[in-house]
Amino acid sequence: DTGVSQDPRHKITKRGQNVTFRCDPISEHNRLYWYRQTLGQGPEFLTYFQNEAQLEKSRLLSDRFSAERPKGSFSTLEIQRTEQGDSAMYLCASSLEKEAFFGQGTRLTVV
Amino acid sequence: GEDVEQSLFLSVREGDSSVINCTYTDSSSTYLYWYKQEPGAGLQLLTYIFSNMDMKQDQRLTVLLNKKDKHLSLRIADTQTGDSAIYFCAVSGRGNQGGKLIFGQGTELSVKP
Repeated sequence: DTGVSQDPRHKITKRGQNVTFRCDPISEHNRLYWYRQTLGQGPEFLTYFQNEAQLEKSRLLSDRFSAERPKGSFSTLEIQRTEQGDSAMYLCASSLEKEAFFGQGTRLTVV
Repeated sequence: GEDVEQSLFLSVREGDSSVINCTYTDSSSTYLYWYKQEPGAGLQLLTYIFSNMDMKQDQRLTVLLNKKDKHLSLRIADTQTGDSAIYFCAVSGRGNQGGKLIFGQGTELSVKP
C-alpha cells in the first residue's frame, strides 16, 4: 500500500458544473477525513467518516457539497453547481489511531 | 472556537537550527502535530506529541510543548535546503485521536545555502 490516493490531481471546471473527487485511504484505516485548503492558508476540516458512517460535518460544507463512503472503503466528495469560491485544494486523510496521513490532494479550479 | 497561530515566514542559513513556533487556544487538545508541505503537494506528517509530554525528539526534530502557555515549537537541527517548505502546526480536540485537526496558517521556511 502506497498511502492515501486521490483522483484526479487537477480539475478545471466551468462555473455551474458538478464535480466529483475520489479518495482511496490506506487500506486498514477506518477513519477518513476531507479538508479544503486555499492559497496561503492551512487546511480546514470539512467532514469525517468512521467506516461508512459520516460522523461530523463542518458548517463550511454547504448543501452543494456531499460526501459518501460506501462500504467503508473509498470516499467521494461531490460539489454541485460549482462557484468560483470553490476553487481550492481538496485534501483527503485517513487514520487508524492518532496519526493522520494525507493524500496529494485534488486541485480544483472553477472558471 | 479553536485557534492556532503561527508566524508566516522564517529564513535561516544552511547548517543552522530552525525554530518554528505555534500557539493555540484549546487547552483540551490531546495531540499536537507538525506537518510539512512542499509546493503543490499534500501534507507529510513529521512528528506529534501527546499533551502530557514536554518534549519529544526524533532525529533532527525536537518538539517542545509548554501547556501552561499553550505554546508548541519545532526545532530542526542542521537545517538543509531540502527542508525548505511550509510547516503546519495542528491540534486535535479532546478524545480525538488524529484526523480532525485544527491547523495554523503555516510557516514558510526558507533555507539559504
